[in-house]
Amino acid sequence: DADVTQTPRNRITKTGKRIMLECSQTKGHDRMYWYRQDPGLGLRLIYYSFDVKDINKGEISDGYSVSRQAQAKFSLSLESAIPNQTALYFCATSDRPDSGNQPQHFGDGTRLSIL
Amino acid sequence: QKEVEQDPGPLSVPEGAIVSLNCTYSNSAFQYFMWYRQYSRKGPELLMYTYSSGNKEDGRFTAQVDKSSKYISLFIRDSQPSDSATYLCAMTEYSGGGADGLTFGKGTHLIIQP
Repeated sequence: DADVTQTPRNRITKTGKRIMLECSQTKGHDRMYWYRQDPGLGLRLIYYSFDVKDINKGEISDGYSVSRQAQAKFSLSLESAIPNQTALYFCATSDRPDSGNQPQHFGDGTRLSIL
Repeated sequence: QKEVEQDPGPLSVPEGAIVSLNCTYSNSAFQYFMWYRQYSRKGPELLMYTYSSGNKEDGRFTAQVDKSSKYISLFIRDSQPSDSATYLCAMTEYSGGGADGLTFGKGTHLIIQP
């Protein structure tokens, strides 16, 4: 089983709909992240959370919200989807720095298309 | 300023060749450097993780960081068709991502010809 699991893997929806993307991890990491990947733009940070009570905006948070339901679960919501939010979305996790150098580990992504 | 420059390719080389992938950056505060490999329809997979300047070797892969030139490289020896993927460089000021997560290059698409 994957350490970082994203659901759904693919989603097609219409403009104006509310969408939730979910991420769960079995790595026991405190830190979780949401990125989006667009052709020609690379990966950009949307939101990140250092623990259950800590939520922070990233580079491109407008139009998105998140919820950290538990250490292992971090969901991303699009309250009213628009076509330019069509992208590949990735969840990532990392351990605390006091455990040594800790890189980020990614799930396999959700491909989201908004018509 | 956090810009990371990476040639998008595609870079096509014959099987067995040595591959050199590079990134340049402008933020001198970056001190943790990563290379990720991404296959089609998959998430980025961590290949190499280095701190500050120097070299790190892992099997056929060598990561090189030159902080004075703000330049990082990934070398792949004895390249295989299974190495065909997009390679992303990433960097951060802080271990684990810190306040701003990772800053990524746009990725280089590598093709190894059998």
